[in-house]
Amino acid sequence: QVQLQESGPGLVKPSETLSLTCTVSGGSISNYFWSWIRQPPGKGLEWIGYIYYSGSTNYNPSLKSGVTISVDTSKNQFSLKVRSVTAADTAVYYCARDKGGSGYGAGMDVWGQGTTVTVSS
Amino acid sequence: SYELTQPPSVSVSPGQTASITCSGHKLGDKYACWYQQKPGQSPVLVIYEDNKRPSGIPERFSGSNSGNTATLTISGTQATDEADYYCQAWDSSTAVFGGGTKLTVL
Repeated sequence: QVQLQESGPGLVKPSETLSLTCTVSGGSISNYFWSWIRQPPGKGLEWIGYIYYSGSTNYNPSLKSGVTISVDTSKNQFSLKVRSVTAADTAVYYCARDKGGSGYGAGMDVWGQGTTVTVSS
Repeated sequence: SYELTQPPSVSVSPGQTASITCSGHKLGDKYACWYQQKPGQSPVLVIYEDNKRPSGIPERFSGSNSGNTATLTISGTQATDEADYYCQAWDSSTAVFGGGTKLTVL
């Protein structure tokens, strides 16, 4: 049974870079799309972007300029970087698996437990 | 940018049928998915490809998608179904979520 676990600092200072890693266990990172989604306190879900195991990426245009997603297949991990963060980036960050990617309706069928990131000085 | 609109809240009595709608321009031409999120928990996929249930999701959950509206239907609603529900679709290579609907079972 595939499980995802997010890890990274829970507190980031304004203007700095938020860095998170998602570790995939119980299965291979190959042949799937891997997404990052965030949820500000008391609000809804916002898709940040995804990476295919081969390294191709797709980002939410509203966030694209400050976001990078990368993959390390040797470690069965993928990562998120958000540059120049502000208080608006405070959220629970989830990683998730998507079987189909853009345009397909397979959905995000496995989610991590989420990690809370607070942007504050 | 593409938007998906859901009612903020829906109430249903136990044992009755709950319907949660999700509206977007020509949504019926895209696939819709639905996620259930209980307080303090991660979202769970309950419907994919408009009307398919992942393994382990009860049969009382069903979905449809036509025109501009996708609908999640919960038949014989139970107290354990009380949660936030989000629809999701892809538009121009971007995953879009609806704003979420709080389902209250009372």
